[in-house]
Amino acid sequence: DTAVSQTPKYLVTQMGNDKSIKCEQNLGHDTMYWYKQDSKKFLKIMFSYNNKELIINETVPNRFSPKSPDKAHLNLHINSLELGDSAVYFCASSATGGNSPLHFGNGTRLTVT
Amino acid sequence: SQKIEQNSEALNIQEGKTATLTCNYTNYSPAYLQWYRQDPGRGPVFLLLIRENEKEKRKERLKVTFDTTLKQSLFHITASQPADSATYLCAPDLEYTPLVFGKGTRLSVIA
Repeated sequence: DTAVSQTPKYLVTQMGNDKSIKCEQNLGHDTMYWYKQDSKKFLKIMFSYNNKELIINETVPNRFSPKSPDKAHLNLHINSLELGDSAVYFCASSATGGNSPLHFGNGTRLTVT
Repeated sequence: SQKIEQNSEALNIQEGKTATLTCNYTNYSPAYLQWYRQDPGRGPVFLLLIRENEKEKRKERLKVTFDTTLKQSLFHITASQPADSATYLCAPDLEYTPLVFGKGTRLSVIA
């Protein structure tokens, strides 16, 4: 199936740990994104990346870093996890260019204890 | 700063009626506006895109309007069904910048 897939679906970890979430898309899209949805269901952009350009939301702590081994993957690394990092993280992709719809994965629920 | 407001956090409607959801934005002029549906435990799914020079866009039972003067988009679901129950998100699109979403309206269609 063509899709955006992210793993794991659930991630429970302790404060201070480092963790990664993987994302892969097989839609042939050039641009990938990470969004964070908090407990109030507000979906916030964290990063967008399209091979050459990384756009970072300035409010994202530098403990968060995206890594793209190739065009089809954009993984999210989080260092020194904090309680406030608990949220659902969504990966998405789109064709390059304005007004292209986003295709989302089904999210990774991160719980930091 | 840019602001997106969706009229209400939750909207309950009787099956068969038309649901109308509102999206207002301030401090920017999007060239497009996108609407998404999100079900619990799932990622948002794209529904419709409307351009600034289009007054109205339809897809099956869905209709979207875009008033750039009022800075508002209306999203209508006609003949609503319980299966339409979900959260609906609007995203005014500035083109070439990552989409920013409203907080969403949770629609419940009651049989």
